[in-house]
Amino acid sequence: DAGVIQSPRHEVTEMGQEVTLRCKPISGHNSLFWYRQTMMRGLELLIYFNNNVPIDDSGMPEDRFSAKMPNASFSTLKIQPSEPRDSAVYFCASSPDRGQFFGPGTRLTVL
Amino acid sequence: AQTVTQSQPEMSVQEAETVTLSCTYDTSESDYYLFWYKQPPSRQMILVIRQEAYKQQNATENRFSVNFQKAAKSFSLKISDSQLGDAAMYFCACGRGSRLTFGEGTQLTVNP
Repeated sequence: DAGVIQSPRHEVTEMGQEVTLRCKPISGHNSLFWYRQTMMRGLELLIYFNNNVPIDDSGMPEDRFSAKMPNASFSTLKIQPSEPRDSAVYFCASSPDRGQFFGPGTRLTVL
Repeated sequence: AQTVTQSQPEMSVQEAETVTLSCTYDTSESDYYLFWYKQPPSRQMILVIRQEAYKQQNATENRFSVNFQKAAKSFSLKISDSQLGDAAMYFCACGRGSRLTFGEGTQLTVNP
């Protein structure tokens, strides 16, 4: 099993640009989570999906953030327009219902 | 709602020694799971060990074991024969089903 796959691993962009982060969950896992991790705020849950349906997006910081899961094997997190305070490591995790398995994360830097 | 508290922001241990990381939690669920995750400098979040709340027997994974005290809502992680590669941030988590609540983390340093 390849585990949770995230791309890109690193992203550097300029303020105002659109950023799209991608995630491929582990096959057979029915839940998918997007987290953001910063030194100041720790690990924050942004949104999670169950069977491709968004269940709770209360952690999404503002309308600039959006997430989609068009099918069971793919999800995106989009930031438009990006701001320097969005700089963080973004994790995707998937779950078979008893614990979460994390991807390697995407380190985003917004200049 | 669930809360997870890790009262030790930092811990250190000598190589080959044993260290225990503390975690307390609160949940209104009767059926839940508890986890320890490890995050080394690579930033990868690695599932170390899992405990089902309905099981009285403490989970063990090689050098990692837990002390689960359900009544006290305590879930500590013991690392035996510490190795340099154990140096990482350790997160305790609690949840039912797939959604988890994480603690703030404990940074473990292993001294050679």
